[in-house]
Amino acid sequence: DTGVSQDPRHKITKRGQNVTFRCDPISEHNRLYWYRQTLGQGPEFLTYFQNEAQLEKSRLLSDRFSAERPKGSFSTLEIQRTEQGDSAMYLCASSSVPDSPPNYGYTFGSGTRLTVV
Amino acid sequence: GEDVEQSLFLSVREGDSSVINCTYTDSSSTYLYWYKQEPGAGLQLLTYIFSNMDMKQDQRLTVLLNKKDKHLSLRIADTQTGDSAIYFCAETSTSGTYKYIFGTGTRLKVLA
Repeated sequence: DTGVSQDPRHKITKRGQNVTFRCDPISEHNRLYWYRQTLGQGPEFLTYFQNEAQLEKSRLLSDRFSAERPKGSFSTLEIQRTEQGDSAMYLCASSSVPDSPPNYGYTFGSGTRLTVV
Repeated sequence: GEDVEQSLFLSVREGDSSVINCTYTDSSSTYLYWYKQEPGAGLQLLTYIFSNMDMKQDQRLTVLLNKKDKHLSLRIADTQTGDSAIYFCAETSTSGTYKYIFGTGTRLKVLA
């Protein structure tokens, strides 16, 4: 297992288009997280899955955003009708329950950089 | 609410020590973390500290925690050019999701 994989690495899209990103977590990890990182900021939590259930969504996740994790394996994050403000790095992370602290087994992917023009 | 703050930039000469500071607001945080992010790369966990500790040393890294002032620092001894990166402090939420609350990041530049 090579860690958390994200695809694509980069995406340039025109405003108003829809985009979809994919995250493949570490295979035995049952928790999956999406974060967004804008330029000059730290990552901000978007949403969290335990297996296939989406258990928490940030208020940052507007109605144009939807995330899924069918069968509790890979996850997709779709943004509809993209806006320039959606330009950011989208990071995925996975971890395993019942990993204990200190870092709950968190592993981050390298991210998908989205540019909306 | 939850908030984690850091200074934006730090510049040091190679071989000197670097000290990166962080303040946080959630007094119930159990663990606090330092992550490193290099250009084009994901986040790499450097070290962590449990909230009942006040210091932790891990090779060139020393973490100091002042829980009363909610202040966390990371000291890098003998800083090298390869240490140039963005450093984030983070705390985990207490909600059970174990999501991270990250600081704004400190860009460390090491001058040869």
